[in-house]
Amino acid sequence: DAKTTQPNSMESNEEEPVHLPCNHSTISGTDYIHWYRQLPSQGPEYVIHGLTSNVNNRMASLAIAEDRKSSTLILHRATLRDAAVYYCILRAHSGGYQKVTFGTGTKLQVIP
Amino acid sequence: DAGVTQSPTHLIKTRGQQVTLRCSPKSGHDTVSWYQQALGQGPQFIFQYYEEEERQRGNFPDRFSGHQFPNYSSELNVNALLLGDSALYLCASSLAGGDHEQYFGPGTRLTVT
Repeated sequence: DAKTTQPNSMESNEEEPVHLPCNHSTISGTDYIHWYRQLPSQGPEYVIHGLTSNVNNRMASLAIAEDRKSSTLILHRATLRDAAVYYCILRAHSGGYQKVTFGTGTKLQVIP
Repeated sequence: DAGVTQSPTHLIKTRGQQVTLRCSPKSGHDTVSWYQQALGQGPQFIFQYYEEEERQRGNFPDRFSGHQFPNYSSELNVNALLLGDSALYLCASSLAGGDHEQYFGPGTRLTVT
């Protein structure tokens, strides 16, 4: 399965933008890039996903490199509620069924 | 609309025992995946069920087995429990296809003593 690499931790000041990077150099052409976040004592929460083009939703933006070997999750204005572990994962679309591989994620600390 | 629900919330078992965890998917979802999350680690994929069959499996021994029922709910069974099986077990539901997001339940915390 294709793997992702993320920094272990990052810090951001409250109300400033945050750029969370992810490397996935072995991504295949049909892999979707998904981002999830996990707050303490909760299950992971879906944030955003994309295939080739940049994506925006109410939570965040996803910027995907032209060669698809890296992507960046952008939180436009970090709040204290955004402090969580962020996981970048690849969902392989294999005949309609997918394995999912999580890495260790990036722990985001938001400073008031 | 209830999201993904899991039961029980917490469970304590003894080495060698067997355990069954349960999951009800989000309404309208037909695919259920199970994950094991050790403390401080990311979730590890156990297996995925679709149309009542195991479709994908991660690197877990046969002691881990599952089932999906016609109403799409699912069970995870673990036999011959080991201390190392202590973890948070997460269930996630989705529609089939890599372009659909997964919705996770709150998890079942299993402690093996």
